[in-house]
Amino acid sequence: QQQVKQSPQSLIVQKGGISIINCAYENTAFDYFPWYQQFPGKGPALLIAIRPDVSEKKEGRFTISFNKSAKQFSLHIMDSQPGDSATYFCAASMLYNQGGKLIFGQGTELSVKP
Amino acid sequence: GAGVSQSPSNKVTEKGKDVELRCDPISGHTALYWYRQSLGQGLEFLIYFQGNSAPDKSGLPSDRFSAERTGGSVSTLTIQRTQQEDSAVYLCASTLYGGPGGNEQFFGPGTRLTVL
Repeated sequence: QQQVKQSPQSLIVQKGGISIINCAYENTAFDYFPWYQQFPGKGPALLIAIRPDVSEKKEGRFTISFNKSAKQFSLHIMDSQPGDSATYFCAASMLYNQGGKLIFGQGTELSVKP
Repeated sequence: GAGVSQSPSNKVTEKGKDVELRCDPISGHTALYWYRQSLGQGLEFLIYFQGNSAPDKSGLPSDRFSAERTGGSVSTLTIQRTQQEDSAVYLCASTLYGGPGGNEQFFGPGTRLTVL
C-alpha cells in the first residue's frame, strides 16, 4: 500500500514536444505529491508539487495533473528542451505524518532530442 | 553552507568492512532523512530524524545499518560488514519540518558506495 508506480521507465521526445510521465499510488492517506528532477551525479531537486485539494498545478512549462478518484497524477513538460534531459521521480508522502518521508516511484529517464 | 553536503562523494570498500557516510544538513533544518538509490531503482527511504524524537528506522534493510544524528545537526550512516548488495548511492535530505515551505526536502549530492 506504500508503493508508487511510475511509467514509462524511459522516454524520448523531440525538442518542442510534450513529455508526459504518469504515476499511480495506493495509499489514500498520502497528501503531498512532489516531482523531483535528477541530473547525473547530482541529488534530486524538487521540480513541482501538488496537494490533493487541487486537480492541476502549473509552474512555467511544468504542469501536474492530479486525479484523486483514480489515485493517479502526472507530470507534463511542455515545449521540452534538451536541457530537460534528466531522470524524473514522482513521490508521495503524508505531509504531517510519518515524518513526511517520501515514497518514490522508480523514475523515468527523459531524453529530449534536438 | 548553502546546501546539504555529504562525504565522501565516493567510497570503495571490500566486502565485510564497515563504512561511515556523513551528512551535513542545511543549517536550521529540523528533519533529516537518508535514502538509498540502487542502480536502476528509485529512491528507497532508510531512516528519518526529527528534533529530539526517536528516529523512524522503519526503512533500514538490516541490523547492519545504523544511523545517528549528533546535536540535531550532522548525521552519520554506518553500514557494518558490508555486502555487495549494499552498493548504491546513499542520499541525505533535510527539511524545515512543519515550516512554510511545505516540507520540501533538499537533497545532497549523495555518496556512491561500491562494495567489492
